[in-house]
Amino acid sequence: EDKVVQSPLSLVVHEGDTVTLNCSYEVTNFRSLLWYKQEKKAPTFLFMLTSSGIEKKSGRLSSILDKKELFSILNITATQTGDSAIYLCAPLDNAGNMLTFGGGTRLMVKP
Amino acid sequence: NAGVTQTPKFQVLKTGQSMTLQCAQDMNHNSMYWYRQDPGMGLRLIYYSASEGTTDKGEVPNGYNVSRLNKREFSLRLESAAPSQTSVYFCASSQRGAQLFFGSGTQLSVL
Repeated sequence: EDKVVQSPLSLVVHEGDTVTLNCSYEVTNFRSLLWYKQEKKAPTFLFMLTSSGIEKKSGRLSSILDKKELFSILNITATQTGDSAIYLCAPLDNAGNMLTFGGGTRLMVKP
Repeated sequence: NAGVTQTPKFQVLKTGQSMTLQCAQDMNHNSMYWYRQDPGMGLRLIYYSASEGTTDKGEVPNGYNVSRLNKREFSLRLESAAPSQTSVYFCASSQRGAQLFFGSGTQLSVL
């Protein structure tokens, strides 16, 4: 049975701090790992990671995948209150289906 | 460019009532999904459809049925609603192997 575990469950930081969010997975026929940000409504796409060791970057956010150890991290530097959200990770299998999401990390950034 | 459209946005049902949640996408995607999200939790897959004419169970299919009416539309039916089905429901679509695009969600309360 596929399993995706995110840690920590929740995190409270102050503006300007750096945070690291973790996602470990056990997935049959793994293809890629995706990160999403969810504020009030639907999740919005952040990154898709397919190859190990290659960092993807978008502004203050970056992410990397380790396919040997079966985990990914999402880093956010110089956090802002607008980064407050639930961050979700989810693997894609070889058929291209996204069947299992992690439980999410709830990040709160205080001014 | 509408993307993924879900209706209704809000619904209140009494225990035992039935209803259908509608979802349509205009991106010519092959895959469509229905997830539910309970407070403070990640997304759990109810059913998915990898292509027109096929549907498969996800993690939590009990109490639900789906229809992939055509390539654009994927509906979710609750035959006899129960309080345990109170949740936020998200429809999503993707081109196989690519990111998911989500609808704005349906807030369902079953009294």
